Amino acid sequence: AQTVTQSQPEMSVQEAETVTLSCTYDTSESDYYLFWYKQPPSRQMILVIRQEAYKQQNATENRFSVNFQKAAKSFSLKISDSQLGDAAMYFCAAMNRDDKIIFGKGTRLHILP
Amino acid sequence: DTAVSQTPKYLVTQMGNDKSIKCEQNLGHDTMYWYKQDSKKFLKIMFSYNNKELIINETVPNRFSPKSPDKAHLNLHINSLELGDSAVYFCASSPAGGLSYEQYFGPGTRLTVT
Repeated sequence: AQTVTQSQPEMSVQEAETVTLSCTYDTSESDYYLFWYKQPPSRQMILVIRQEAYKQQNATENRFSVNFQKAAKSFSLKISDSQLGDAAMYFCAAMNRDDKIIFGKGTRLHILP
Repeated sequence: DTAVSQTPKYLVTQMGNDKSIKCEQNLGHDTMYWYKQDSKKFLKIMFSYNNKELIINETVPNRFSPKSPDKAHLNLHINSLELGDSAVYFCASSPAGGLSYEQYFGPGTRLTVT
């Protein structure tokens, strides 16, 4: 069965600093997608970044980038120049070709002014 | 020993029908949620219940009605189904309603309206 593990329930980072959120996954599939979602206090889930497993190049979206280590089944999210608005719950997720998506339990990120 | 379960996993139905999706959690959590994921993978919260009491009710058509018979169950009933209701619906639970608590997601229910 596919699983997604976020080992850090909570993290803090100073404003303007860089923080990395960890995620590991387990799948027997060779073709899959990985995602990071952000959930601010509004409770809406916002797609931050996605990565296709067949692509070796790490995905980037402005200040957000991932470190995708396929052999290690690791998919960490790096947030550069952290801003107060980045404070939220962050969910890692994995999706197989059958479109079934599995979420991690989330990491609560605090931004310290 | 599934933590959060949803039934059915797949649901194919015609426009105009009424259908329900069931969600159960055996974690003893106080708060449960329903999310809708559209074709672009955007996940939108619909409802949240804390101890059988509705605490979040986003802008959702009133054809959608959540029902919580007890704090371990949160069912979603949809009346007069429309094509745009086709999506994957996720149930989740958390120990409390605060944002700092982790959420446990169910496997999702893929609803297809034809």
